[in-house]
Amino acid sequence: GIQVEQSPPDLILQEGANSTLRCNFSDSVNNLQWFHQNPWGQLINLFYIPSGTKQNGRLSATTVATERYSLLYISSSQTTDSGVYFCAVNSGGSNYKLTFGKGTLLTVNP
Amino acid sequence: DAGITQSPRHKVTETGTPVTLRCHQTENHRYMYWYRQDPGHGLRLIHYSYGVKDTDKGEVSDGYSVSRSKTEDFLLTLESATSSQTSVYFCAISDSGSFNEQFFGPGTRLTVL
Repeated sequence: GIQVEQSPPDLILQEGANSTLRCNFSDSVNNLQWFHQNPWGQLINLFYIPSGTKQNGRLSATTVATERYSLLYISSSQTTDSGVYFCAVNSGGSNYKLTFGKGTLLTVNP
Repeated sequence: DAGITQSPRHKVTETGTPVTLRCHQTENHRYMYWYRQDPGHGLRLIHYSYGVKDTDKGEVSDGYSVSRSKTEDFLLTLESATSSQTSVYFCAISDSGSFNEQFFGPGTRLTVL
């Protein structure tokens, strides 16, 4: 099956700093989503982005499908950005199931 | 927020007992999924459903069964719980009309002693 690798596994920032999270995948994808899991365990949808670039406030994402990677940018980080960021992909088929990476644990210190 | 609820939210049970987790959605989405989340593994698919009474296995389906008798409800059953099934269980929904973007419920934390 498709492999999803995220980097870095851990990241510690000071409030106000910028960061880039990376997701590499081993095959072509029909769907790619970025999620934020907050410290309470809730999974929050950030982007549905199988290709192209999207922006939502301080967050933006770019997927280069031909090169099999996606980037999540966080600008002017805040303590509320802390948590785990997951990339998940679907590589086709009729079930649309997502294969998740192991996540990037982001800690933003005040 | 997508209308997805899970019950119970927390459960502690003993090895060998049956356990049923419920996922309920108010979005009328066709697809429903059960994932489990464990440290070091991310989320892994247990079972999924593509319609009422239509279900199939995911990558970690051993020891689990599912049922979907109504569009809005998807049940996950552990017939005889084991300690290796201690995990956080997430339900998700998606619909072919929205590019199958998946939305997740709040999760159920299950501890098997």
